[in-house]
Amino acid sequence: DVKVTQSSRYLVKRTGEKVFLECVQDMDHENMFWYRQDPGLGLRLIYFSYDVKMKEKGDIPEGYSVSREKKERFSLILESASTNQTSMYLCASSLGGLSSGANVLTFGAGSRLTVL
Amino acid sequence: GQNIDQPTEMTATEGAIVQINCTYQTSGFNGLFWYQQHAGEAPTFLSYNVLDGLEEKGRFSSFLSRSKGYSYLLLKELQMKDSASYLCAVTRGSTLGRLYFGRGTQLTVWP
Repeated sequence: DVKVTQSSRYLVKRTGEKVFLECVQDMDHENMFWYRQDPGLGLRLIYFSYDVKMKEKGDIPEGYSVSREKKERFSLILESASTNQTSMYLCASSLGGLSSGANVLTFGAGSRLTVL
Repeated sequence: GQNIDQPTEMTATEGAIVQINCTYQTSGFNGLFWYQQHAGEAPTFLSYNVLDGLEEKGRFSSFLSRSKGYSYLLLKELQMKDSASYLCAVTRGSTLGRLYFGRGTQLTVWP
């Protein structure tokens, strides 16, 4: 019954490494999102996408990029990981459109990244 | 930007009622969500309010006053499993799919 799947639950990387976080949803949702969650700061939006090959910057896009080549897959890329990117990363998706419930987010289980 | 405020922490005892408040200042406000997040888990959807008033769903109810920029989540007959973080989030008409989250309220339920 898993609907949003994140490829890695825990990752440990070194400073300067390139990191890929993968997210796949099987609900045919239009919208996909990447958040990071840090104690005391809550959920902060990094990037989101309303459609294939489209992306929009969130509140904290610096140091990140994204890719959405297929509707069901949204990847977060850290080009050169730094210690301040140690965090919990949450992927989410929503149906999109104007109907009631179209913006309800379904989250993945999260990927806890540690950068040493 | 969006200004969404909710208390950082609350405590209550089993069987009691607790009200978690959320205030917001958001241009183009469209609707308000509540999510529950247990430690180490993903947030899960609880409720969505667009119109003023109270929405009841079992032990949980959510209230919205658009004119006051205020919402609350009411939890009745508290159980230990209700210990979690409760997240308030708003949407705007201009960026309909995007949710803006508050920092969350950590609720601890004691026996």
